[in-house]
Amino acid sequence: DTGVSQNPRHKITKRGQNVTFRCDPISEHNRLYWYRQTLGQGPEFLTYFQNEAQLEKSRLLSDRFSAERPKGSFSTLEIQRTEQGDSAMYLCASSPLSRDDEQYFGPGTRLTVT
Amino acid sequence: AQSVSQHNHHVILSEAASLELGCNYSYGGTVNLFWYVQYPGQHLQLLLKYFSGDPLVKGIKGFEAEFIKSKFSFNLRKPSVQWSDTAEYFCAVRGNTDKLIFGTGTRLQVFP
Repeated sequence: DTGVSQNPRHKITKRGQNVTFRCDPISEHNRLYWYRQTLGQGPEFLTYFQNEAQLEKSRLLSDRFSAERPKGSFSTLEIQRTEQGDSAMYLCASSPLSRDDEQYFGPGTRLTVT
Repeated sequence: AQSVSQHNHHVILSEAASLELGCNYSYGGTVNLFWYVQYPGQHLQLLLKYFSGDPLVKGIKGFEAEFIKSKFSFNLRKPSVQWSDTAEYFCAVRGNTDKLIFGTGTRLQVFP
């Protein structure tokens, strides 16, 4: 399977704990995006990378959130001191460098904060 | 700020009925427009996209969408739906940055 992969697929954590999610984009895709989706809503943009450079961050991304893409391949999204409001589906997408292409989405990581 | 409105939150149809899902966006510049679909238990997939040229865009599985610039709309249509079209449909816009702005989605249920 050469699509976008995300791990873990599900994560249950207690409030106050830190969690980290991983996204592996489609090989050779330069751009990698993180979105968050809550029930009844469409995906909301969090941040994106072009290679290893983080080019844009949403105001939704509080100081507790950090994302990295250290070698321009896979990316991690870490949430520190989780809150119940962080419960959501975290989606990763990747795309080639050209703007004439769509973003390809992974299956997501569902986070539940108890 | 960019925004996308999908006014139909939940649509219920019988097989063979025609479908039109509304999408309006708010952005003053050049936009790229997308419809994504999420089938039950699956990830988001692209149905169709508009970048430029012919405002009537054809996508997969018999779907099409028409970009009407004067109305800031990009409605999705299908002349005859099937049970397998049951899914959630998201309209999205991309402006001068690379992020996608999504609507809240429309849940389509098709009954045999």
